[in-house]
Amino acid sequence: QLLLQESGPGLVKPSETLSLTCTVSGGSISSRGYYWGWIRQSPEKGLEWIGSIHYSGSTYYNPSLNSRVTISADTSKNEFSLRLSSVTAADAGVFYCVRHGSTSSTRFFDYWGQGTLGTVSS
Amino acid sequence: DIQMTQSPSSLSASVGDRVTITCRASQSINSYLNWYQQKPGKAPKLLIYAASTLQVGVPSRFSGSGSGTDFTLTISSLQPEDFATYFCQQSYNTLEFTFGPGTKVDVK
Repeated sequence: QLLLQESGPGLVKPSETLSLTCTVSGGSISSRGYYWGWIRQSPEKGLEWIGSIHYSGSTYYNPSLNSRVTISADTSKNEFSLRLSSVTAADAGVFYCVRHGSTSSTRFFDYWGQGTLGTVSS
Repeated sequence: DIQMTQSPSSLSASVGDRVTITCRASQSINSYLNWYQQKPGKAPKLLIYAASTLQVGVPSRFSGSGSGTDFTLTISSLQPEDFATYFCQQSYNTLEFTFGPGTKVDVK
């Protein structure tokens, strides 16, 4: 059974960088055909896809966040990470790590972490 | 970017009712439409992908239909565990995923 688990500081100060890690167990992030990503959920914006990474290093990001987002992967640890810079209160929400396929017919989110709350406050 | 809308935003229903939720895309997305169910405090769960294909383990009372811009999620006979919020999501745009705002199904 594939399990995804988010971790990282729940509280970040305005203008600083939010950093989260997703540890994957029960499967490998190096599996062909899959991307690993992050989704944020907030009352204001609903579910918002942040970006995704393939184990090869290929990434793509939500254009609205592109300049502030970096997603990286560490295949030796079977984990991937999110960095969101210059945060404001509008960046708060529950952050989920997810898996999706890489082809047109498989680009749905079939595995989700339990979610971690990210708060922005001084 | 592709905008997704859902209707209604909420509905009240009783166990055994037939429930229909609509999702509309701002442009044609062929059949690249997925549905999720979310319960309070939990992550969303994939129900249906490619507009009408049931994810493994999802009860057959759930069904999806549509193509182009208009899609429907139907629960044929609502069960107590189905009270939740439902989201649609497009995967047509290869560079960006977008979700609908959700439809909350609660007890009448």
